[in-house]
Amino acid sequence: EVQLVESGGGLVQPGESLRLSCVASGFTFSSYAMTWVRQAPGKGLEWVSATRDSGSNTAYADSVKGRFTISRDNSKNTLYLQMNNLRVEDTAVYYCAKGTTGSTYYFNYWGQGTLVTVSS
Amino acid sequence: DIQMTQSPSSVSASIGDRVTISCRASQGISSWLAWFQQKPGKAPNLLIYAASSLQSGVPSRFSGSGSGTDFTLTISSLQPEDFATYYCQQAISFPLTFGGGTKVEIK
Repeated sequence: EVQLVESGGGLVQPGESLRLSCVASGFTFSSYAMTWVRQAPGKGLEWVSATRDSGSNTAYADSVKGRFTISRDNSKNTLYLQMNNLRVEDTAVYYCAKGTTGSTYYFNYWGQGTLVTVSS
Repeated sequence: DIQMTQSPSSVSASIGDRVTISCRASQGISSWLAWFQQKPGKAPNLLIYAASSLQSGVPSRFSGSGSGTDFTLTISSLQPEDFATYYCQQAISFPLTFGGGTKVEIK
């Protein structure tokens, strides 16, 4: 059974940092693209970042470019999102999701989400 | 960036109704489109990928069509468990983008 479990969310002040983790199980993690998608309270889905299977290619939304870094440790079946210089508008539930292939960005399994709140 | 525009933003329907949701891309995306269903407090669930391919385990009352810039999600006979918000997403190029969502409500 495919499982994705996010952790690392919490309450931080503007300008602070957080690192989110997503532990994967039930599939060959190193063979699939992975992504982070967020959802602000009461709002729609916003794509944040993605990485292909090897981690050699990464991409970011303009809203987080230069502040967030996606990475993966295929030996630990874990996806990360390092979030620096957080802003109030980064407040959201952050989901990790699995791609349908190593380089295809349809997302067929999602974690339960972790809430990040940025507030002074 | 490719903008995805969904319509309507909400629809009221009854059990057994046929419901159609539209998604328009600001430029051609071939068939690189997915549809998701999301219920309150839950993660999104993939329904359709590649514009018209039904994800494993998804009921056959869901179908997708279209290519290029215009796409449609159809629920052939609305069931109680289908009341939710639906999103389209383009997968052809970064940044990946979602539509604004369509909320299907009970009439």
